[in-house]
Amino acid sequence: TQLLEQSPQFLSIQEGENLTVYCNSSSVFSSLQWYRQEPGEGPVLLVTVVTGGEVKKLKRLTFQFGDARKDSSLHITAAQPGDTGLYLCAGEGSNFGNEKLTFGTGTRLTIIP
Amino acid sequence: NAGVTQTPKFQVLKTGQSMTLQCAQDMNHEYMSWYRQDPGMGLRLIHYSVGAGITDQGEVPNGYNVSRSTTEDFPLRLLSAAPSQTSVYFCASSSNRNGYTFGSGTRLTVV
Repeated sequence: TQLLEQSPQFLSIQEGENLTVYCNSSSVFSSLQWYRQEPGEGPVLLVTVVTGGEVKKLKRLTFQFGDARKDSSLHITAAQPGDTGLYLCAGEGSNFGNEKLTFGTGTRLTIIP
Repeated sequence: NAGVTQTPKFQVLKTGQSMTLQCAQDMNHEYMSWYRQDPGMGLRLIHYSVGAGITDQGEVPNGYNVSRSTTEDFPLRLLSAAPSQTSVYFCASSSNRNGYTFGSGTRLTVV
C-alpha cells in the first residue's frame, strides 16, 4: 500500500495570510493530484502534476511536485474565506498495472474573515 | 453533461440486508473507482475498473462486489451490510487517470 501523509491535519488562519500544505510519501508516483472538498460534496480536482520538480499555478494557489516524485506541496497566497475546505492530495501508482489512486488523509483549512 | 451520477443520496439499511449503490457517468471514461470516506481516514479505495469487463480490488474490498458490464455503469453491491460499512461512498471516473471526476456521494447508515 502506498501511503500519503498530509500535514498539517488542521489549519485555521486569518484572511490575507499565506499557508503551505504538505503531502509526503516514501513511494514514487506517476502523478500527484490535488482536490478540494466541501461539506456534502465530492472532491473536485484542482490540479495534476506529473513531472518531478513541476510547478503549477492556479490563481493564488501554487502546486509543486517534488524532484523525486514522492512529495508535493500546495501554497496559498493571501488566503480568502472561499479557500475554506478539505484539501486532499492523491497519488497515482507508478508501476505498470497499478492503476490505483491513493488519497492522503487531508488538510482541513479554515480561513477566518 | 451530468458527469458522475450516484444514487441514492441517502440510505439506511439493517444489518444483514443487501443493496446496490448505483454509479453512472456520461463522459465515456474508461477508468472508474469506488471510495469510502470515514472521519479521519480520508478516502479509501474499495474497487476500481480500467474498462468494461475489467475490475480489481482496492484497499478495502471485503464485503463489496462490483461489475462493469458497460463503460457507463459501475454499481457497488453490499452483500450483507454491517455497521462497519456505515460511511459516505464516492464513485469517480477518469479518461486518462490524470484527474478524476467525483459524484456527490451516497451517505449510508447501517443499523
